Amino acid sequence: AQSVTQPDIHITVSEGASLELRCNYSYGATPYLFWYVQSPGQGLQLLLKYFSGDTLVQGIKGFEAEFKRSQSSFNLRKPSVHWSDAAEYFCAVGAGTNAGKSTFGDGTTLTVKP
Amino acid sequence: GAVVSQHPSWVICKSGTSVKIECRSLDFQATTMFWYRQFPKQSLMLMATSNEGSKATYEQGVEKDKFLINHASLTLSTLTVTSAHPEDSSFYICSAISGGLTEQYFGPGTRLTVT
Repeated sequence: AQSVTQPDIHITVSEGASLELRCNYSYGATPYLFWYVQSPGQGLQLLLKYFSGDTLVQGIKGFEAEFKRSQSSFNLRKPSVHWSDAAEYFCAVGAGTNAGKSTFGDGTTLTVKP
Repeated sequence: GAVVSQHPSWVICKSGTSVKIECRSLDFQATTMFWYRQFPKQSLMLMATSNEGSKATYEQGVEKDKFLINHASLTLSTLTVTSAHPEDSSFYICSAISGGLTEQYFGPGTRLTVT
């Protein structure tokens, strides 16, 4: 069975600082990986996804993620955080290019200090 | 981009009553929709997969008689929480995909409070 671990429950960074959110997955085959962002009381918005090819994936809002098979990781990064990035971030692994039935991590709450 | 709406965005109902939540894909045909439940400060838990014109597939531990799902058209799926109880209070989120899409689009969620 597939699983996702987000080791950091809560991260606080200063505005303008760099950000890295960790994600580790467990899956027996080629994983299909996603990062989503959720603002309070809202649904999820896809930031980026990895299916194959270049292991460094660019997403929306200046985010990127790097797939490292040897480490079973798919960490999300942003070089300079903005106050509007404060939200909940979820990593997910899917069983195929059909993004449905993804397994989600428990999420990381990002707080941005002024 | 693909847009998914949910209605209502929040609802309060009394214990023992039923409440229906609608999920609509506004600008694409959704062959499959998913219903998730999210508790405060927790992740999304998949409840069921809904395919147009067929019965929903429920995840283990989800009571199909309590959470009735209907996917009557390619743009609409409904979740009815029957005989609601306070423990059913939660944030319910739907998502939709179509055959040609490799990502799921999420609705904004519905906050259900059962008193």
